[in-house]
Amino acid sequence: SQQGEEDPQALSIQEGENATMNCSYKTSINNLQWYRQNSGRGLVHLILIRSNEREKHSGRLRVTLDTSKKSSSLLITASRAADTASYFCATPNTGGFKTIFGAGTRLFVKA
Amino acid sequence: ETGVTQTPRHLVMGMTNKKSLKCEQHLGHNAMYWYKQSAKKPLELMFVYNFKEQTENNSVPSRFSPECPNSSHLFLHLHTLQPEDSALYLCASSHPRVGLANTGELFFGEGSRLTVL
Repeated sequence: SQQGEEDPQALSIQEGENATMNCSYKTSINNLQWYRQNSGRGLVHLILIRSNEREKHSGRLRVTLDTSKKSSSLLITASRAADTASYFCATPNTGGFKTIFGAGTRLFVKA
Repeated sequence: ETGVTQTPRHLVMGMTNKKSLKCEQHLGHNAMYWYKQSAKKPLELMFVYNFKEQTENNSVPSRFSPECPNSSHLFLHLHTLQPEDSALYLCASSHPRVGLANTGELFFGEGSRLTVL
């Protein structure tokens, strides 16, 4: 079954606003990763948070992780039209090669 | 430029055709992957190769046949596909798993958009 599930499925905001996307997962994790995908293109790794971390920042990105609730959130502050893309959370299984992706959140930022 | 190159970017084929997708990575990674991305579905892991050995086959139909001649190249051979196989096929690479030290970050190519008529 699907490991990560993002919420909402789609999000439309105005440029300058913040965008928050949530992810839930089912099993124990070593780390959780967020990826971005522009339409019809490959995925690009954005940020990784380890299981012993609660929050991490990278530029306009802020990721939180709550292992007790098996959930994570990605916040994009001061969004830009260029942030329009799909965002996926992913959880690699420890020791193996099975990185499982959620269905993604489609973000549309209106200029 | 991610260091992972996929060709062709677009492919249209009939159900009786035989074609191949190619992936090449210049990142010095030893693990390579094929993922399938269909509309409105999560990415599906198809195959994983680690040091040229297949470590995962996620119940993929035999009409998809992977080949990994070396750690830098990965192929997906396609034969007698069905229209429902139309999708974006993504190749990725990563460092091999070394305990908990490796993060498992994946580096993706731009994908091959396959349409089966």
